[in-house]
Amino acid sequence: DTGVSQDPRHKITKRGQNVTFRCDPISEHNRLYWYRQTLGQGPEFLTYFQNEAQLEKSRLLSDRFSAERPKGSFSTLEIQRTEQGDSAMYLCASSWTASQETQYFGPGTRLLVL
Amino acid sequence: GQNIDQPTEMTATEGAIVQINCTYQTSGFNGLFWYQQHAGEAPTFLSYNVLDGLEEKGRFSSFLSRSKGYSYLLLKELQMKDSASYLCAVSTDSWGKLQFGSGTQVVVTP
Repeated sequence: DTGVSQDPRHKITKRGQNVTFRCDPISEHNRLYWYRQTLGQGPEFLTYFQNEAQLEKSRLLSDRFSAERPKGSFSTLEIQRTEQGDSAMYLCASSWTASQETQYFGPGTRLLVL
Repeated sequence: GQNIDQPTEMTATEGAIVQINCTYQTSGFNGLFWYQQHAGEAPTFLSYNVLDGLEEKGRFSSFLSRSKGYSYLLLKELQMKDSASYLCAVSTDSWGKLQFGSGTQVVVTP
């Protein structure tokens, strides 16, 4: 078990371009979460999945953002028509099903929109 | 609204003790987590409290009072490697969604 992995680790893009990030959770974990973190702040919840079902999306997640977990394993987060305000660290976490289970975080994808 | 408040920064000397307070007001409560985050790295789990009282794990202890909406993380015998941001997070629903505070940057000096 290598833990939660994310790819790429860093992404620089120009405003208006589309980007896609991937998260591979710990293999036995049913739940997968996406968070966004800006400098000096704690992570902010974006969305989460129970297996392949997307259960909730934050109001932070505009229509330009979409997330999928097609087979209940890895997940992708796509941002269309990126804006400078999208620059942040995007963190993925996974956990077992129970609500009180610890979430284990991946190393994150740092996005810079120029 | 929902708030999780913790101090922005604390400084302490190597070998000393530091207590990081966290107060919260959330619409739901399914437990409180503490995470450590070194600069540029992912948060790593430190402790979890769901019942009132103290949980001890080596040099780290965490306390919870649900009636007061209050928790603290106690770091003992501080080491230089403990310099990091410490995040207080509340699980606000049965699906485990976490709401985080802004983090407390702990600086350990020689």
